[in-house]
Amino acid sequence: DIVMTQSPDSLPVSLGERATINCKSSQRILYSSINKNQLAWFQQKPGQPPKLLIYSASTRASGVPDRFSGSGSGTDYTLTISSLQAADVAIYYCQQYYSNPITFGQGTRLEIK
Amino acid sequence: EVQLVESGGGLVQPGGSLRLSCGASGIAFSSFWMIWVRQAPGKGLEWVATIKEDGSEKYYVDSVKGRFTISRDNARNSLYLQMDSLRAEDTAVYYCIRGSGWVFESWGQGTPVTVSS
Repeated sequence: DIVMTQSPDSLPVSLGERATINCKSSQRILYSSINKNQLAWFQQKPGQPPKLLIYSASTRASGVPDRFSGSGSGTDYTLTISSLQAADVAIYYCQQYYSNPITFGQGTRLEIK
Repeated sequence: EVQLVESGGGLVQPGGSLRLSCGASGIAFSSFWMIWVRQAPGKGLEWVATIKEDGSEKYYVDSVKGRFTISRDNARNSLYLQMDSLRAEDTAVYYCIRGSGWVFESWGQGTPVTVSS
C-alpha cells in the first residue's frame, strides 16, 4: 500500500499570510502514459463532507479560488494557500489515486493564528 | 447541479447487516465511476469501495473484502453498499462519491453507521 504522510499535523497561520501543507507518498505516483501525478487535495470544514480542491497534483477543481494551488512531483507534494482567509479554516487531506487501495494522508488542521 | 443523497445508515449490532443507498440526480449516472469512502468519528478518511460505470469492475479495501458488496442500478440512478458481518471498527460516516475517472469529484453529505451492542 502507498502511505501518504502529511506535515504538519496542525498549522496556525495569520489571516492574509501564506499557508503551506506538505504531503509525501511512500512511492512515486506518476501515471506515465498521461504524465500526470495521481495526487488530489481535499478540504473538509466542520460538519461537512470533504470537497475536492486539486487533482493531478496541480489542477484546480471547478469553482476553487485561485489562492489555492498545488505543486510537486515524485514523492513530494505541496498545497499552498496564498493569502489565508477565515473561510479556509478546515482540515486538509492529500490522497493518492495511483493504485488500490486508494489512500489518504492523516490530515492537516489549518487554523487562524 | 450534482446531488448525491445517502440513506440507510443507523445503529446495528456486531455481526449484523445494513444496506446503504445513494440516490443521484443532476448527472448522467451511468457515465461515472462511483465510490464509497468512510470516516470514523474524529478520524481521517478511508476509501472503502469503487465500482465502474457498468458495474463490471469492483474494488475494495482489504478490511471489507468478503463482507461488503458495492453495486449499482443505473436505471434507478442508485448506488448501494451491502454491509454484512459488521464490526465495531466499521462505525463511521459513509460518503457516496461520484468519480471522474479515479478523481473523487463530488461528495454526498454522508450517512452515519454505528455498530454497537
